[in-house]
Amino acid sequence: QKEVEQNSGPLSVPEGAIASLNCTYSDRVSQSFFWYRQYSGKSPELIMSIYSNGDKEDGRFTAQLNKASQYVSLLIRDSQPSDSATYLCAVNPQTGANNLFFGTGTRLTVIP
Amino acid sequence: DAEITQSPRHKITETGRQVTLACHQTWNHNNMFWYRQDLGHGLRLIHYSYGVQDTNKGEVSDGYSVSRSNTEDLPLTLESAASSQTSVYFCASSDGRGEKLFFGSGTQLSVL
Repeated sequence: QKEVEQNSGPLSVPEGAIASLNCTYSDRVSQSFFWYRQYSGKSPELIMSIYSNGDKEDGRFTAQLNKASQYVSLLIRDSQPSDSATYLCAVNPQTGANNLFFGTGTRLTVIP
Repeated sequence: DAEITQSPRHKITETGRQVTLACHQTWNHNNMFWYRQDLGHGLRLIHYSYGVQDTNKGEVSDGYSVSRSNTEDLPLTLESAASSQTSVYFCASSDGRGEKLFFGSGTQLSVL
């Protein structure tokens, strides 16, 4: 059973719209959740982390966490063509190891 | 500036050959990780280390080995390369106080 599930997409949104990316995880005791952005041919870079239920906002990005539903999402407001990338959801299962399990990623295209 | 570098960027080898991928970080991080990234599988953990002389197996460790003789380096060795090991390999490090991973630029390995 996969640890972290994401819709592979691709997801296309027009410039200025809200992009919504979703992720579910299987380990109920997971405590730390992350969103990484990966441009084509590049390495992943962290854009958001969230640890508590609710919303966390950083500029145009909002991460949402619902531990009861084992669900984490990323909203990108006022989407820009530069947001076109693959977004990876990552979860720390907190089994005593400082490791991350990654989803397969959702490819986002923002259409000008 | 601190960084994490991987070499080579591209490598072509033949099945059965031993291959070593280098990873060097100047963040002075204790934690170092090797991931492979394949279409449809996302990032999967191969091996990780929490400090000098410490190494641990990840979820896809068969056919790979690592050693940690100093803080800065975690080389990844493919003992006898197989075509199934054709992939993009990412090295990453973290400081252990949080889970933010700093990734290297990746190594594209082709096993023919």
